[in-house]
Amino acid sequence: GQQLNQSPQSMFIQEGEDVSMNCTSSSIFNTWLWYKQDPGEGPVLLIALYKAGELTSNGRLTAQFGITRKDSFLNISASIPSDVGIYFCAGLPYFTASKLTFGTGTRLQVTL
Amino acid sequence: DTEVTQTPKHLVMGMTNKKSLKCEQHMGHRAMYWYKQKAKKPPELMFVYSYEKLSINESVPSRFSPECPNSSLLNLHLHALQPEDSALYLCASSQEPSYSNQPQHFGDGTRLSIL
Repeated sequence: GQQLNQSPQSMFIQEGEDVSMNCTSSSIFNTWLWYKQDPGEGPVLLIALYKAGELTSNGRLTAQFGITRKDSFLNISASIPSDVGIYFCAGLPYFTASKLTFGTGTRLQVTL
Repeated sequence: DTEVTQTPKHLVMGMTNKKSLKCEQHMGHRAMYWYKQKAKKPPELMFVYSYEKLSINESVPSRFSPECPNSSLLNLHLHALQPEDSALYLCASSQEPSYSNQPQHFGDGTRLSIL
């Protein structure tokens, strides 16, 4: 099935650094979601975005719904070791309710 | 703690066995989903249930048989699986299937290994 282009594929950063990742699509989405998945666990919803241009924060996380509706960004400020994991963007289209399209994932590793 | 509960957490079965995966949610959600996830890949949609009726089957082989006994429960019956079916099977739920903006909430999955 379709996957969203997510970058970077992986990141190796030091504790305290800020992190940015993004997701792009050739299709328009009604909703953008960001999930984090730890080893052996299911994806956990971090942030949901519902309007073009919307900027939403959840603690040290900030995400934006792109104006074109074809992209989204996630920023993590002052990273800590527990931020390690795989981050997935996901989009919900207008006309195919329930069919969530996932990004390819960004693997984040944080060193002390 | 996740509000979508999946059992068992791990399952090892032979290719001739019959087993079932179970999923339960008590959030009042009316849409439930099964996904398959291979290592280092995003989840892939298998089935969608909307108001306890199967609404989407993503061309999944018949050796996987979903069942939704009520609005809180979702089962996935397995029979005659192949080694390539080894994966993490995730269940998810969302509030209102008729609108396309409800986020899905995932369980922790069942790690399935086929011998």
